[in-house]
Amino acid sequence: EPEVTQTPSHQVTQMGQEVILRCVPISNHLYFYWYRQILGQKVEFLVSFYNNEISEKSEIFDDQFSVERPDGSNFTLKIRSTKLEDSAMYFCASSELEVETQYFGPGTRLLVL
Amino acid sequence: AQSVTQPDIHITVSEGASLELRCNYSYGATPYLFWYVQSPGQGLQLLLKYFSGDTLVQGIKGFEAEFKRSQSSFNLRKPSVHWSDAAEYFCAVYKPEYGNKLVFGAGTILRVKS
Repeated sequence: EPEVTQTPSHQVTQMGQEVILRCVPISNHLYFYWYRQILGQKVEFLVSFYNNEISEKSEIFDDQFSVERPDGSNFTLKIRSTKLEDSAMYFCASSELEVETQYFGPGTRLLVL
Repeated sequence: AQSVTQPDIHITVSEGASLELRCNYSYGATPYLFWYVQSPGQGLQLLLKYFSGDTLVQGIKGFEAEFKRSQSSFNLRKPSVHWSDAAEYFCAVYKPEYGNKLVFGAGTILRVKS
C-alpha cells in the first residue's frame, strides 16, 4: 500500500541553524501539507501546497518557513534560523484531491538546542 | 470560533471491555470528520472517516464511529478493546469553507489494562 515517507526520523540542531525536512508524498497525490505537533499539544496545520505553490498557510507559517517541491517526488519544509520553540514533531501529509482524505507520514522529530 | 473538542485526555479500559471516545465539533454545518490513531513513535494512521450517507461508519481494526448531527458529535467506538489498541486517538475535522486543512482535537490517550 502506498505511503507517505519522511526523512530524517529525528533531527537535532543548534538554535539559529537551518533545517530541511523531507517528505515523499504518495505518487498520484496532488495536494501536500505540513503539520506540526509540539509535545503535549494539538496537531497544528502549517501549510498546504498545490500546483507548485502555497495554497494556504497558517499564522505559524511565517517568513522563517518555506516549502518546496524540488522535483517530481519530494516535498520539503525548510526552517531558517531555528528557535527553541520550533522543537516539535513535523508531519507531512498528502491527498489525491482537495476534499479527500489526507494520509500522513511517520513524522520527523525536531529538537532545537 | 471553529473547534474540535475531545473532552477526555486519558481513558483507561480493561482488555476486552468496550470503548467510546468522544468528539464534538463546533462548525455551522456538517464538516468532513475523521479519526486518526497515533501509536508511540509512529505517525498518524487513518481509522475511519465520514463524508456523507450512513451515519455509522466502519473503520479499520474493528473501530466504528457514529455521526450525530443534533449533538455535533462523532464518537469512536470499539466493542472489545485489545492491548494493542493502546495509543493516542485524534478526532479531526475538515470544512472547505474554513480552509484546505484538518483541524485536530487535543487527542485522547487510551491505556489498556490486562
